[in-house]
Amino acid sequence: GAGVSQTPSNKVTEKGKYVELRCDPISGHTALYWYRQSLGQGPEFLIYFQGTGAADDSGLPNDRFFAVRPEGSVSTLKIQRTERGDSAVYLCASSLSGTSYEQYFGPGTRLTVT
Amino acid sequence: GESVGLHLPTLSVQEGDNSIINCAYSNSASDYFIWYKQESGKGPQFIIDIRSNMDKRQGQRVTVLLNKTVKHLSLQIAATQPGDSAVYFCADLTGGGNKLTFGTGTQLKVEL
Repeated sequence: GAGVSQTPSNKVTEKGKYVELRCDPISGHTALYWYRQSLGQGPEFLIYFQGTGAADDSGLPNDRFFAVRPEGSVSTLKIQRTERGDSAVYLCASSLSGTSYEQYFGPGTRLTVT
Repeated sequence: GESVGLHLPTLSVQEGDNSIINCAYSNSASDYFIWYKQESGKGPQFIIDIRSNMDKRQGQRVTVLLNKTVKHLSLQIAATQPGDSAVYFCADLTGGGNKLTFGTGTQLKVEL
């Protein structure tokens, strides 16, 4: 079956611009996660959705970052006033439920802020 | 804060040999550990997991060992193949929470 998909695969933007990154989880998965991975590092947690609500957003670095999941399926990570330090690979993962520990990751979106 | 870290950044092995990747964790409250494999340009792929009430778990060609006394986790890959070349991460989950805390990764290189 189809796995987690993310679009775009690559995004180059100028400092100060606004970007949206999209995640399509595995069909039927109620839990969705966003992580950020810098070069040579492990992924870092950003936010976790259970259904439509953000159950844990403690990893969002500041108020320029926001994520939504209005219908409990597709999620969008939004970054305002991008900075060069936001450059990273943004990974999305989904799991069957919030109590299912196995998270399935998408290929990520590589964001480059120039 | 608490962290999960790895001993070696790069491990080179000959094809057919066994590989051992190590990981140290600092949070004694961690109750679930996972190993992920990440190939270039792809997201992490689940390999095997282990709960804190176990000390060993085996999968297909992989074994995870957990030593809670010294807070150490290892991944053993039997008969390493070129397709095993990737970065391997250990990650932990604490207190029933849902966010994974990853280490920095070990690059496994399989030499022919």
